[in-house]
Amino acid sequence: RKEVEQDPGPFNVPEGATVAFNCTYSNSASQSFFWYRQDCRKEPKLLMSVYSSGNEDGRFTAQLNRASQYISLLIRDSKLSDSATYLCVVNSPSNTGKLIFGQGTTLQVKP
Amino acid sequence: EAGVVQSPRYKIIEKKQPVAFWCNPISGHNTLYWYLQNLGQGPELLIRYENEEAVDDSQLPKDRFSAERLKGVDSTLKIQPAELGDSAVYLCASSGGGAGEFDEQFFGPGTRLTVL
Repeated sequence: RKEVEQDPGPFNVPEGATVAFNCTYSNSASQSFFWYRQDCRKEPKLLMSVYSSGNEDGRFTAQLNRASQYISLLIRDSKLSDSATYLCVVNSPSNTGKLIFGQGTTLQVKP
Repeated sequence: EAGVVQSPRYKIIEKKQPVAFWCNPISGHNTLYWYLQNLGQGPELLIRYENEEAVDDSQLPKDRFSAERLKGVDSTLKIQPAELGDSAVYLCASSGGGAGEFDEQFFGPGTRLTVL
């Protein structure tokens, strides 16, 4: 079993749609969770951290369910510019500073 | 402020040849990472440096890969000899803090290696 698992997609949605990505992680001792965004042939960039209480940044909402070891990212009112790959990232509890990346979920927003 | 700089951006070599990648982290960042990213996958950590010390190289295939960060600033990752399966993007990242605390990792644009 992979340490961080994501549905690779692709998710094809029209502009204005709401889309949700899910991610599961295997190590219950993980403490830090993030979503990174990676545009085609570019480097990953931090989109947002994920907090236990859930957090929102504009059209983006991240949720964490520790009991189910599940992380989600919701994008409301999708824009063409949201088209990218979204990487679910978890810290390694046995190796401080090490991040474990999921394979990414690809989103394509169409006009 | 300048980001993480990597060179070359692209490299094409024949198998069994050596290759080296260079990374200059963001000024003042004492933690430097080398990642490998295969097509359709997320980045995988190869090695992490705290200043000039390699604190995690457990995922580095040491029979053919080596890395150095002699003065605790820029770093070089080498493959010798390269194999077909080494074709991938090699990403360098840096962060500003020490262990035990999350510091955002900033990635460079990567070096896209093709081994023929």
